[in-house]
Amino acid sequence: NAGVTQTPKFRVLKTGQSMTLLCAQDMNHEYMYWYRQDPGMGLRLIHYSVGEGTTAKGEVPDGYNVSRLKKQNFLLGLESAAPSQTSVYFCASSYGTSGSHEQYFGPGTRLTVT
Amino acid sequence: AQKVTQAQTEISVVEKEDVTLDCVYETRDTTYYLFWYKQPPSGELVFLIRRNSFDEQNEISGRYSWNFQKSTSSFNFTITASQVVDSAVYFCALSGRPSGSARQLTFGSGTQLTVLP
Repeated sequence: NAGVTQTPKFRVLKTGQSMTLLCAQDMNHEYMYWYRQDPGMGLRLIHYSVGEGTTAKGEVPDGYNVSRLKKQNFLLGLESAAPSQTSVYFCASSYGTSGSHEQYFGPGTRLTVT
Repeated sequence: AQKVTQAQTEISVVEKEDVTLDCVYETRDTTYYLFWYKQPPSGELVFLIRRNSFDEQNEISGRYSWNFQKSTSSFNFTITASQVVDSAVYFCALSGRPSGSARQLTFGSGTQLTVLP
């Protein structure tokens, strides 16, 4: 099992460009999440999904969109990148609600917006 | 609202010393879950432990131990006889219902532990 994988690992964007980050999991988990990690702030939840075809906003959703067309994939989109979106992005998945089940994290994507 | 505070930003110890990482949380939920994750220099996040709010028993796993005290809203993590490989950022996290809907995981800001040889 590969667990949770993320594509790409690194990316540099110019302000205004768009991109999509792909997250895939092979554990048949229902729940998937996107976080961003900034220095001194821990991880903050951007969006999450409780099942195929459903998404919901987290703590910091502005400037991002997501889609969960297949159970195993969760896409994070930036329509018009801004320097404030420079961060490390982590995808995670869990079998059930994040209350009773631990989340498994991908290796992260380091995004720089210039 | 829920909140996790890790007041120790950075800690340095010499190998074989014991070290305790503090975690204080706030939540209005009566049922909640607490977690610790490790982020080594390679960057991935590794799950260490999960505790629910009804189980205050301390837990020991090898050199790791956790002390959960509801009276002080704390979930502290102790590493005994630290090793260089323990050097990492450690995150405490709380799962509750900040929006009244699905549970969300709220992370503390992390503690950078450096173990010197």
